[in-house]
Amino acid sequence: AQTVTQSQPEMSVQEAETVTLSCTYDTSESDYYLFWYKQPPSRQMILVIRQEAYKQQNATENRFSVNFQKAAKSFSLKISDSQLGDAAMYFCAYRVLIYNQGGKLIFGQGTELSVKP
Amino acid sequence: SQTIHQWPATLVQPVGSPLSLECTVEGTSNPNLYWYRQAAGRGLQLLFYSVGIGQISSEVPQNLSASRPQDRQFILSSKKLLLSDSGFYLCAWKSGTSRQFFGPGTRLTVL
Repeated sequence: AQTVTQSQPEMSVQEAETVTLSCTYDTSESDYYLFWYKQPPSRQMILVIRQEAYKQQNATENRFSVNFQKAAKSFSLKISDSQLGDAAMYFCAYRVLIYNQGGKLIFGQGTELSVKP
Repeated sequence: SQTIHQWPATLVQPVGSPLSLECTVEGTSNPNLYWYRQAAGRGLQLLFYSVGIGQISSEVPQNLSASRPQDRQFILSSKKLLLSDSGFYLCAWKSGTSRQFFGPGTRLTVL
């Protein structure tokens, strides 16, 4: 079975600095998707970035980028120029691509990011 | 554009009472639908998913059930709530290879 592990329950970063959130996963599949979701205090789940496993190039969305290491099954999120609005819980997620699995997501336990002014 | 609704937003129920949470999606057809639960300070756990009307897959054995009476309606139910059913319930949908879109959630407290 697939699992997702986020080993950092809490992280802190100074405003305008860079922070990296770690995520590792376990799967026997060769094709899948990986995601980072942000959950602010409103508890709305917001997609931050998505990576297809077959793509070697790391995904980037403005200040957010990932370091995808397929062989190591690692998927870290880098936030550059951190802003106060980045403070939230961040979840790493894996999406199964097996046809009869319905595209379900498997989530890590989350990393609580605080941003210091 | 597509939108997803959940209600109620907040619910406080006594132990042993029934439960019905509703999720509806607008602006898409034949979506995959999902129910997740998030316990306090923890990640999301998939409870049920549905790939079509009347088709429900259960991920974990529990006190809850799900139904999909219409294409864009997904209902989470319980006949008798337990204290352990407390949590934040999120509905999500996906169409094709797109990402999952999440609803605003329902905060359930069982006393």
